[in-house]
Amino acid sequence: ETGVTQTPRHLVMGMTNKKSLKCEQHLGHNAMYWYKQSAKKPLELMFVYNFKEQTENNSVPSRFSPECPNSSHLFLHLHTLQPEDSALYLCASSQDEEQGTTSGANVLTFGAGSRLTVL
Amino acid sequence: GQNIDQPTEMTATEGAIVQINCTYQTSGFNGLFWYQQHAGEAPTFLSYNVLDGLEEKGRFSSFLSRSKGYSYLLLKELQMKDSASYLCAYMDSNYQLIWGAGTKLIIKP
Repeated sequence: ETGVTQTPRHLVMGMTNKKSLKCEQHLGHNAMYWYKQSAKKPLELMFVYNFKEQTENNSVPSRFSPECPNSSHLFLHLHTLQPEDSALYLCASSQDEEQGTTSGANVLTFGAGSRLTVL
Repeated sequence: GQNIDQPTEMTATEGAIVQINCTYQTSGFNGLFWYQQHAGEAPTFLSYNVLDGLEEKGRFSSFLSRSKGYSYLLLKELQMKDSASYLCAYMDSNYQLIWGAGTKLIIKP
């Protein structure tokens, strides 16, 4: 496996379900991200893990819960989602050059995404 | 404030040239990225500009004018496989990426 791998690729869940999205990066990067991509809208940064610490949470609802057990794995736990949460969830990784910062040279490598449909 | 804009959709002909524009307004700037995203696939990095001018990579070139808050992606000798969405994003003073909504490029034979 190379690059950034996301599973599952497609997920359909009811509003009362609990599910998790998984992301694994094989690039030796030290930062991982969750993005939400909705049709015709800009990418929305949800969470960043840099040097194993969550450094950003852009007012994401608590029904989304990230977990980063190590620098190669990232999870997004989903609970009691709403239909408006249906979207493509993209994981990305990068190699940050300084702790706690992201410089312009830190290119993101994305996974192919998990397409989530909430019924 | 933070504002970035790019056209929603463009159509071009195979073999031709197309320019995708991106304009932004920001008080702090640390470079501008272009990514390509084919339908159902991961966005992939195309280019990064932090200084004014044109950067060429094969059929693709990216231009930046910081004073005008303007960038473009130039695609030459278009191929059908270039049909994709092209995402523009600038990095602000806090090194946060601010994304445009993407430009869907349709290539016709």
